Amino acid sequence: EVQLLESGGGLVQPGGSLRLSCAASGFTFSSYAMSWVRQAPGKGLEWVSVISDSGVNTYYADSVKGRFTISTDNSKNTVYLQMNSLRAEDTAVYYCAKFSRLGELSFFDYWGQGTLISVSS
Amino acid sequence: SYVLTQPPSVSVAPGKTARITCGGNNIGSKSVHWYQQKPGQAPVLVIYYDSDRPSGIPERFSGSNSGNTATLTITRVEAGDEADYYCQVWDSSGDHVVFGGGTKLTVL
Repeated sequence: EVQLLESGGGLVQPGGSLRLSCAASGFTFSSYAMSWVRQAPGKGLEWVSVISDSGVNTYYADSVKGRFTISTDNSKNTVYLQMNSLRAEDTAVYYCAKFSRLGELSFFDYWGQGTLISVSS
Repeated sequence: SYVLTQPPSVSVAPGKTARITCGGNNIGSKSVHWYQQKPGQAPVLVIYYDSDRPSGIPERFSGSNSGNTATLTITRVEAGDEADYYCQVWDSSGDHVVFGGGTKLTVL
């Protein structure tokens, strides 16, 4: 059974930093791309970032490019999201999601339960 | 950047058929995927590759994609289908994932 367990959420001041973790199990982690998707309170889904199975290729939404960094540790089956220079508009539930493949046919076949980030003074 | 447009809301009576659209420029040339999200829960994949259903998703859920519109169809709608539904594609021009704005399905 595929499981994705996010951690690291919480309250942070504007301009601060936070690192999210997502521990994966139930599949061969190193064979799949992984992604982060967020959802602001009462709003729709917004894609944040994706990392290829090899960890070589990373892609970011324009709204987070230059501030957020996605990475993986295959020895721990974990994907991370380092978030710097946080803004109030980054307040959201952040979901970790397994990506079927990178490219035109890609979709999210499994999702974690999400972790809430609140950016406020 | 590529934009997906969904109606904010769709209402349907129990037992009837709901159709949720997802509009995009020549979306028929892309692979469209659909997610169901109930309040307080993570999204769940209900349709991938335009019309394929993951295991465990009822046959009442189907999808189509042609021209500038993709459609999620739910037949014999039940109260438990009430949720937000999102379409999604991969925008190869920018190597981005794109979501539609979401449609709230209300079962009357």
